[in-house]
Amino acid sequence: QKEVEQDPGPLSVPEGAIVSLNCTYSNSAFQYFMWYRQYSRKGPELLMYTYSSGNKEDGRFTAQVDKSSKYISLFIRDSQPSDSATYLCAMSAKSGGSNYKLTFGKGTLLTVNP
Amino acid sequence: DSGVTQTPKHLITATGQRVTLRCSPRSGDLSVYWYQQSLDQGLQFLIQYYNGEERAKGNILERFSAQQFPDLHSELNLSSLELGDSALYFCASSVAAGSPLHFGNGTRLTVT
Repeated sequence: QKEVEQDPGPLSVPEGAIVSLNCTYSNSAFQYFMWYRQYSRKGPELLMYTYSSGNKEDGRFTAQVDKSSKYISLFIRDSQPSDSATYLCAMSAKSGGSNYKLTFGKGTLLTVNP
Repeated sequence: DSGVTQTPKHLITATGQRVTLRCSPRSGDLSVYWYQQSLDQGLQFLIQYYNGEERAKGNILERFSAQQFPDLHSELNLSSLELGDSALYFCASSVAAGSPLHFGNGTRLTVT
């Protein structure tokens, strides 16, 4: 079983839809959870960063972490064509000393159609 | 703009050659990470440096090496290049362990 599983999609939605992106993980040592957005030919851009179970909201984006189920989600409200990108989940755990190991999902390709 | 600068943006070279990719981290960030991204493999962690010292190694081939200099910029050296080394190479930096990474826009390497 992979440490982090993410449905690669592709996911296609109409403008204005609510988008739900999900990742599951197997390593209970993961402490920090992130979502990155990556446009074509660009580097991943940090969207959300959280370290606890529950919800974190930032504008149209809500990140949800459920540590008991080992499941994280990113919700996008009122989706826009400019949200079309690949979304990567990432999570980190201590890996000896003061270092952390970051593990990425493979990414979900989202297209929002006008 | 993440504040992480990578050069060059594109690199085309032949098999067997050697190239150097350069990265300047965000101001104040001591950690630098290198990742390789190909279509089928996703983001693969190669190596991490912290304040000039190697901190962690991932799936980095022996033909690849990196270093971080006193001014904190980093270089990734790829030698004896093979067709399969064609990929996007990203540099990222962070301010401290456990902090989120901030990525540059990558170097697209094409080996012909």
